[in-house]
Amino acid sequence: DAKTTQPNSMESNEEEPVHLPCNHSTISGTDYIHWYRQLPSQGPEYVIHGLTSNVNNRMASLAIAEDRKSSTLILHRATLRDAAVYYCILSQGGSEKLVFGKGTKLTVNP
Amino acid sequence: KAGVTQTPRYLIKTRGQQVTLSCSPISGHRSVSWYQQTPGQGLQFLFEYFSETQRNKGNFPGRFSGRQFSNSRSEMNVSTLELGDSALYLCASRGGYGAETQYFGPGTRLLVL
Repeated sequence: DAKTTQPNSMESNEEEPVHLPCNHSTISGTDYIHWYRQLPSQGPEYVIHGLTSNVNNRMASLAIAEDRKSSTLILHRATLRDAAVYYCILSQGGSEKLVFGKGTKLTVNP
Repeated sequence: KAGVTQTPRYLIKTRGQQVTLSCSPISGHRSVSWYQQTPGQGLQFLFEYFSETQRNKGNFPGRFSGRQFSNSRSEMNVSTLELGDSALYLCASRGGYGAETQYFGPGTRLLVL
């Protein structure tokens, strides 16, 4: 399973943008980049995923480097409810399982 | 649509006992995966079922087993419980075999004494 590297923790202030980085230097051509987050006392929640192009949805944006060896999850305006552990995961299209790393614990300060 | 539901939400057992956890996927979803989450090992894949067949299995001992019913509901069973089995057990469903997004339930927190 291809691995990802994320910072253990990050802090942000409320209503400011947050950029969560993820390195995946061994990514293969068929690996999708997925982001999930886990709020306290809840199961993981899908945030966004992409293959090559940048992606936007109502929750976040995903910026993928041209060589695909890194990506950045962007929360445009952090709220207190965005405090969670964010997981960057590589998964081949059709793969049955998600391989979770340690993730990045995001703290949002009021 | 209702989300993934798991029962029970909390459970206390003693060593040597067995336990059965239940998961109801999102309506129309046919694939169910199970994960174990512990502070030390993080989130680890247990197995996935699709149309009542186990499609993939993680690296867990045979004490961990599961099954899926024709209505896509799934159960997982852990026999001869050990202290180290204390964990949050998460179920996730997705629309089809190979569909990319998984939707997780709130989990069942199991404490083994």
